Amino acid sequence: DTEVTQTPKHLVMGMTNKKSLKCEQHMGHRAMYWYKQKAKKPPELMFVYSYEKLSINESVPSRFSPECPNSSLLNLHLHALQPEDSALYLCASSQSLEIYEQYFGPGTRLTVT
Amino acid sequence: GQSLEQPSEVTAVEGAIVQINCTYQTSGFYGLSWYQQHDGGAPTFLSYNALDGLEETGRFSSFLSRSDSYGYLLLQELQMKDSASYFCAVRDQFSSSASKIIFGSGTRLSIRP
Repeated sequence: DTEVTQTPKHLVMGMTNKKSLKCEQHMGHRAMYWYKQKAKKPPELMFVYSYEKLSINESVPSRFSPECPNSSLLNLHLHALQPEDSALYLCASSQSLEIYEQYFGPGTRLTVT
Repeated sequence: GQSLEQPSEVTAVEGAIVQINCTYQTSGFYGLSWYQQHDGGAPTFLSYNALDGLEETGRFSSFLSRSDSYGYLLLQELQMKDSASYFCAVRDQFSSSASKIIFGSGTRLSIRP
């Protein structure tokens, strides 16, 4: 199984809503990532977890809150988002932080109204 | 800091060969990788070069010259399905214990019949 799954595929939320994005992998990978991608731009790193501990927070606003409940799951909790937060949110995993090959999930297309 | 430069767009004919270049500036270097992303899809890992030279995987090859801070992705026998965005990426040392991947701005490859 070389798949990273993400739910939901699409999400529309208002600026006062609270929602969560979910990501799951069963490849035994110990590093997991959240990226944000705007149209025609490269993925932009948000958070990195290594062995279920937050390793990197790329100065992301606190309205985005990551969580890694176990080695297979990664969540991104959203609260009080802004319209400019509308983007494709990608989850990825790799065997470890030192391994270049990252496996990406299909992403969640988020629209903030 | 890190920076990567690659052409924004390349057009080629089906069956032909195309080369996508990437130049980088890094404070440390841990290797160059390439990802492919179709419109609406997730990035997928193509290749990784840590040492100078050419790595071949089927129709795709990747080259690295560390002395020139330069690499390229070579796509042969182009097919319509190769129309996608291609990103080069390098590893950036975030802290003494964590590193992250930085993506170039991407090259949009369009294949004409």
